[in-house]
Amino acid sequence: ELKVEQNPLFLSMQEGKNYTIYCNYSTTSDRLYWYRQDPGKSLESLFVLLSNGAVKQEGRLMASLDTKARLSTLHITAAVHDLSATYFCAVDPYGGATNKLIFGTGTLLAVQP
Amino acid sequence: DGGITQSPKYLFRKEGQNVTLSCEQNLNHDAMYWYRQDPGQGLRLIYYSQIVNDFQKGDIAEGYSVSREKKESFPLTVTSAQKNPTAFYLCASRARDRGPLSSPLHFGNGTRLTVT
Repeated sequence: ELKVEQNPLFLSMQEGKNYTIYCNYSTTSDRLYWYRQDPGKSLESLFVLLSNGAVKQEGRLMASLDTKARLSTLHITAAVHDLSATYFCAVDPYGGATNKLIFGTGTLLAVQP
Repeated sequence: DGGITQSPKYLFRKEGQNVTLSCEQNLNHDAMYWYRQDPGQGLRLIYYSQIVNDFQKGDIAEGYSVSREKKESFPLTVTSAQKNPTAFYLCASRARDRGPLSSPLHFGNGTRLTVT
């Protein structure tokens, strides 16, 4: 069974601190996506990672992909309150043959002033 | 501007009634999806369609039905057979992959269904 697991499930951090969210998946995939969801809202695409070693950065967020380890990370630098949200990773298994994404469990990030 | 429109935003139904959730997109995307989200949980795939007049079951299709008669539309019916229908339902679409390129899912704003 394909599994996509995120760690931690809940993260409370202070403004200005750094932290990393981890996304592990159980099947071969060279495509991984990160999404953000604000409470009661829809999902917003953050990053698309398409190959081993891919790194993307936007503001205080940086995502990377290691397909050999089946691991992606989302690194938060100098957190601010506006980053508080739930973050999901999603895997596109089978090389995109089925064109469907499997989502992780989500990480609820709360940035405290 | 292109996007995905889900309606209604909130829906209340009595147990035993079927209900249909609307999803329309004007992004000219081939693939469309329905996900279910329960409080504090991730997204689970209900059904998806890669092309008009064709669709496949996802991981939790029991108690749901869909149709794809037009490229722009992918309605979801929650039937009385669905044991726990109260949830947040998200529709999404995606452009067809082109070789090494890959596009993310684009989501609608969701429909919150409450069944009592």
